[in-house]
Amino acid sequence: GQQVMQIPQYQHVQEGEDFTTYCNSSTTLSNIQWYKQRPGGHPVFLIQLVKSGEVKKQKRLTFQFGEAKKNSSLHITATQTTDVGTYFCAGPGSARQLTFGSGTQLTVLP
Amino acid sequence: DTAVSQTPKYLVTQMGNDKSIKCEQNLGHDTMYWYKQDSKKFLKIMFSYNNKELIINETVPNRFSPKSPDKAHLNLHINSLELGDSAVYFCASSQVRTYEQYFGPGTRLTVT
Repeated sequence: GQQVMQIPQYQHVQEGEDFTTYCNSSTTLSNIQWYKQRPGGHPVFLIQLVKSGEVKKQKRLTFQFGEAKKNSSLHITATQTTDVGTYFCAGPGSARQLTFGSGTQLTVLP
Repeated sequence: DTAVSQTPKYLVTQMGNDKSIKCEQNLGHDTMYWYKQDSKKFLKIMFSYNNKELIINETVPNRFSPKSPDKAHLNLHINSLELGDSAVYFCASSQVRTYEQYFGPGTRLTVT
């Protein structure tokens, strides 16, 4: 079945440093979504990418979808303590369900 | 207004018991889901359901059963609880066309 892997699993950064998480799918994706889960909270939808090579920005967050539509990345510029949480990518799998990546847990040290 | 709600928020019970978790969405979505999140934050789909079709992840034990009284509700019933069932369970909903998931606040289940 489809697998979606994310690296790194954990990342500690100093506040103000940049952060990137990478997502790789074993199959070509029609689209990819990103979610953020704050500690103790629930996953919240951030964005969806659809087109090959697409790049979207949300303030300090930059999302990219690979040319082959099998990988994606999320880059945060100048992290803040409010960026703490787990970031998930997710892609449609079989049976009209989303397959979530393994997640990257981000810690931002003040 | 809460979009996706779950009750209870916390559930502590003993092995062998049967329990239910309730979920309601007021977004008018046509598909609802149950996810299990373990201690390492892995998020796994358990079920997806719309008014026509129930899709069960093949790894889910048949002790778990979803029950949907109507389009806005999808409850999760668990029989004969085991220690390994301890996790956070999230309900979610979406329009099947977009897959964008709206999650409930989660239910932390602890089996002792």
